[in-house]
Amino acid sequence: AQSVTQLGSHVSVSEGALVLLRCNYSSSVPPYLFWYVQYPNQGLQLLLKYTSAATLVKGINGFEAEFKKSETSFHLTKPSAHMSDAAEYFCAVRPGPKNTDKLIFGTGTRLQVFP
Amino acid sequence: GAGVSQSPSNKVTEKGKDVELRCDPISGHTALYWYRQSLGQGLEFLIYFQGNSAPDKSGLPSDRFSAERTGGSVSTLTIQRTQQEDSAVYLCASSLINGGADTQYFGPGTRLTVL
Repeated sequence: AQSVTQLGSHVSVSEGALVLLRCNYSSSVPPYLFWYVQYPNQGLQLLLKYTSAATLVKGINGFEAEFKKSETSFHLTKPSAHMSDAAEYFCAVRPGPKNTDKLIFGTGTRLQVFP
Repeated sequence: GAGVSQSPSNKVTEKGKDVELRCDPISGHTALYWYRQSLGQGLEFLIYFQGNSAPDKSGLPSDRFSAERTGGSVSTLTIQRTQQEDSAVYLCASSLINGGADTQYFGPGTRLTVL
């Protein structure tokens, strides 16, 4: 079975500091991996996704994530946090191409950015 | 083009009443998903529709929950005899197809409060 673990339900950083949101997955096949962001009172918006084309994936708003198969991780980073990055972030996994089943989401990490 | 829309944005109901939540997916998207997001929880998959195939209902929590998708477009999620534990934000998403790295586009959600 596939699952996703997001370590840390809350992360706080200062404006300008590095953002690191952790995501570990379990999958029996090479997965597709996603990071979504949810701003208050809004739906989820795709930040970036891993499709096996490249292990370092760049997304919107300066975020990027690196797929590390040996660590079964797909951590999200941003070099310098901005106040507008305050939101909830969800990591999600979908099994490989032979299984067109639903996405499995982590429980989310709420990012706070302090001035 | 227009994104995924959901109505109503907020719904307050009394325990035991039935409610209907509506989702209008992006035009041309063949896959449609319903999720539930409870306070402090991640996204819980409820049901998904793919074209003319039988829907995957494996996430519906009880037989009080049902969903339809008419004409391959609009979907309605119905909750009968609502309970307080049904209070949550119900999110709808659609995607062009279902599978692989395809992106799901989310609506803003319906916040359901059962008194």
